[in-house]
Amino acid sequence: SQQGEEDPQALSIQEGENATMNCSYKTSINNLQWYRQNSGRGLVHLILIRSNEREKHSGRLRVTLDTSKKSSSLLITASRAADTASYFCATMRVEGAQKLVFGQGTRLTINP
Amino acid sequence: GAVVSQHPSWVICKSGTSVKIECRSLDFQATTMFWYRQFPKQSLMLMATSNEGSKATYEQGVEKDKFLINHASLTLSTLTVTSAHPEDSSFYICSARDDSAYEQYFGPGTRLTVT
Repeated sequence: SQQGEEDPQALSIQEGENATMNCSYKTSINNLQWYRQNSGRGLVHLILIRSNEREKHSGRLRVTLDTSKKSSSLLITASRAADTASYFCATMRVEGAQKLVFGQGTRLTINP
Repeated sequence: GAVVSQHPSWVICKSGTSVKIECRSLDFQATTMFWYRQFPKQSLMLMATSNEGSKATYEQGVEKDKFLINHASLTLSTLTVTSAHPEDSSFYICSARDDSAYEQYFGPGTRLTVT
């Protein structure tokens, strides 16, 4: 079953602008991860944020986590055409089997 | 870094036949592997959790007799789609959890087309 809901479902911006994607989830989590997927290809792991962390950076990526609101955001700064892809959040739940459950994803298009 | 491979990367088969997809962890041991399915422009749906030496755990709505999973070693899990139908056409992605680091790594996926 899908745990995460992402918005927007699709986002189109100009190169150089910042892109923000949001993810909401329903149950308590150990960590939340963001992945990128180019069309028809495998997943690329971007960043993992643990439940006791509030913000994490990796290059042009910034991830925030608000466990009280059960939400996370992924910010890509100074976007490039190569950032065009689908982005998914995935949560590792606290209870039950330790498995990653994916959100619906955001399709990001960067226009040159 | 940890690598997970899948074979084949793509396969075309006829309705009614069975297709086996392999998932291997190349440089780590994985007691637990996961199988996901992804339809075009949709997200990954977890199908089952594969455990070495024991039966797989299937998600609700996934037919265990249709999607046979065998996790015979610490580095190999296989998914067999039996009596394939066109609606089984999809992108199948496996993931392996590193026993020593507890990180999860994804394979490149297998595109199955059933004609």
